[in-house]
Amino acid sequence: DGGITQSPKYLFRKEGQNVTLSCEQNLNHDAMYWYRQDPGQGLRLIYYSQIVNDFQKGDIAEGYSVSREKKESFPLTVTSAQKNPTAFYLCASSSVTTNYGYTFGSGTRLTVV
Amino acid sequence: AQSVSQHNHHVILSEAASLELGCNYSYGGTVNLFWYVQYPGQHLQLLLKYFSGDPLVKGIKGFEAEFIKSKFSFNLRKPSVQWSDTAEYFCAVNGHQAGTALIFGKGTTLSVSS
Repeated sequence: DGGITQSPKYLFRKEGQNVTLSCEQNLNHDAMYWYRQDPGQGLRLIYYSQIVNDFQKGDIAEGYSVSREKKESFPLTVTSAQKNPTAFYLCASSSVTTNYGYTFGSGTRLTVV
Repeated sequence: AQSVSQHNHHVILSEAASLELGCNYSYGGTVNLFWYVQYPGQHLQLLLKYFSGDPLVKGIKGFEAEFIKSKFSFNLRKPSVQWSDTAEYFCAVNGHQAGTALIFGKGTTLSVSS
């Protein structure tokens, strides 16, 4: 079945370490997105990519980096510059031929101690 | 700036009560509108969506929403809620241009008592 795989489901890191969250999709979707979900804040857009080798900053890109070397993959790195990295991270994808076929992954809960 | 405003942070209802959750958006151009639901411990699920045509859209589980362009609103309604509707509800908007990112509201937590 087609879908988005985020791994791992839970991730623990020490403060000051960079950490990379994986997002893979087999839906042949062109666009991929990273959101951060915090209680009472909804989902806030971190980065998105509409095509391979191109990506744009979202509303809260500071302290994060991404790459889009393959259509299927859009990893997110949470750097040590991110002041409050503990959160739930959601990856999504959509087709650029239709703008409503969003698919969300199951998320990664990152805890920085 | 593009934004979505959800009026209520937390709504508490008894079973069989009617529900209306407010959503207003600020977004240039033609929009697509969405309501998502997140049940406790579960993934985001799409409740309903509006792209064009009839401004009254019906979704899953008896939910509906009405797009009022003049008010930049997309309120979610359900005539009679059930305990199982307890969840967090998110309104979202994006542009008609393919590949534009969804902008979400902060969410409304609905608690339904039996």
